[in-house]
Amino acid sequence: GENVGLHLPTLSVQEGDNSIINCAYSNSASDYFIWYKQESGKGPQFIIDIRSNMDKRQGQRVTVLLNKTVKHLSLQIAATQPGDSAVYFCAENIGSNDYKLSFGAGTTVTVRA
Amino acid sequence: GAVVSQHPSWVICKSGTSVKIECRSLDFQATTMFWYRQFPKQSLMLMATSNEGSKATYEQGVEKDKFLINHASLTLSTLTVTSAHPEDSSFYICSAPRGLVGQETQYFGPGTRLLVL
Repeated sequence: GENVGLHLPTLSVQEGDNSIINCAYSNSASDYFIWYKQESGKGPQFIIDIRSNMDKRQGQRVTVLLNKTVKHLSLQIAATQPGDSAVYFCAENIGSNDYKLSFGAGTTVTVRA
Repeated sequence: GAVVSQHPSWVICKSGTSVKIECRSLDFQATTMFWYRQFPKQSLMLMATSNEGSKATYEQGVEKDKFLINHASLTLSTLTVTSAHPEDSSFYICSAPRGLVGQETQYFGPGTRLLVL
């Protein structure tokens, strides 16, 4: 979507290292953000989400950071594994509820063994 | 396990024919579902919102007569690509929100790959 963009289209990371994927958004009214993982030929898989009343949220091996001041979102993956190789998309809600989503361009993450 | 299914997973058709793609929510009801299209190496683009019991709402630039949407029940939405042409070849993905009101998560189907010859 045009409202959400990514800083880097590709990311190569050594297995075991931490990964950081960045996302910039432009719609100040967005209040809900989601990170999805998409493997080749499959639909997006929910990773983690965050609402605008928070600036950090942690899941299993993943952390999402939200900086509303600069409209920036990031996904941190700890101890990156080969199975983490995929395209990662950030998305933001563009409707009056959480349902309509605008997706960023996507970052391709490749994990080196 | 999967919470949203799609059928078929892939389809090849001749130009000019119509193709129907089904999206089902598994073990939950969805009054709203969404249809996205994704071209190779590109992001997902929202096409339309499927509303159970009422007409679908389409995003700007999406032809409603070309992409017919029917939300037949609380667990099924169908997308019919009418008079398909090669430029309609794409990956079509549906989604449905699931969870407590106000805390729903958008779950996506596995996608349907359409190739129009």
